[in-house]
Amino acid sequence: GQQLNQSPQSMFIQEGEDVSMNCTSSSIFNTWLWYKQDPGEGPVLLIALYKAGELTSNGRLTAQFGITRKDSFLNISASIPSDVGIYFCAGLPSGSARQLTFGSGTQLTVLP
Amino acid sequence: DSGVTQTPKHLITATGQRVTLRCSPRSGDLSVYWYQQSLDQGLQFLIQYYNGEERAKGNILERFSAQQFPDLHSELNLSSLELGDSALYFCASSGAGGETQYFGPGTRLLVL
Repeated sequence: GQQLNQSPQSMFIQEGEDVSMNCTSSSIFNTWLWYKQDPGEGPVLLIALYKAGELTSNGRLTAQFGITRKDSFLNISASIPSDVGIYFCAGLPSGSARQLTFGSGTQLTVLP
Repeated sequence: DSGVTQTPKHLITATGQRVTLRCSPRSGDLSVYWYQQSLDQGLQFLIQYYNGEERAKGNILERFSAQQFPDLHSELNLSSLELGDSALYFCASSGAGGETQYFGPGTRLLVL
């Protein structure tokens, strides 16, 4: 089945710094989604991308759907303490078996 | 608030027992998905229902089953519970296109 490689696995950054994480796949996806999960909570949708090349922002977050349709990245600018959490990418393939494939997550720690 | 509700929030039970987890999708969403997230693990897709019918199956054990009722709420039944079944169980819902899934707050299951 499809596999998503998400990197980095974890990041420690200073408050105010910018952050970048990405996901790559061996398969083509029609949709890329980015979620944030706080401990013990459900993943919260941050950004959804539906077209190759699409660049979408949500406040300090920006995500792009790669031209090859096999990758996506998420940038967080000017990080703040509440950005702490696990960020997951997820891809939705074409076809009738439309089940999301999740990356393994990026654990983000923001140091004051 | 994603609009997806799950009950109970926490569940503690013993090995060999059976439990039922409940999910109500967002208003208007026809698809319901169930995921399992073990400690330090990513989200593992279990099963999807669309308008009352099973649409896709993932890594769901034979001891687990699910159904979606006419009012579109869904239940995940876990039987003959084992210690390793302790995990967070999430429900997500999406519209007809299935492009974007919204997650509930999860049920934390602890099997002792």
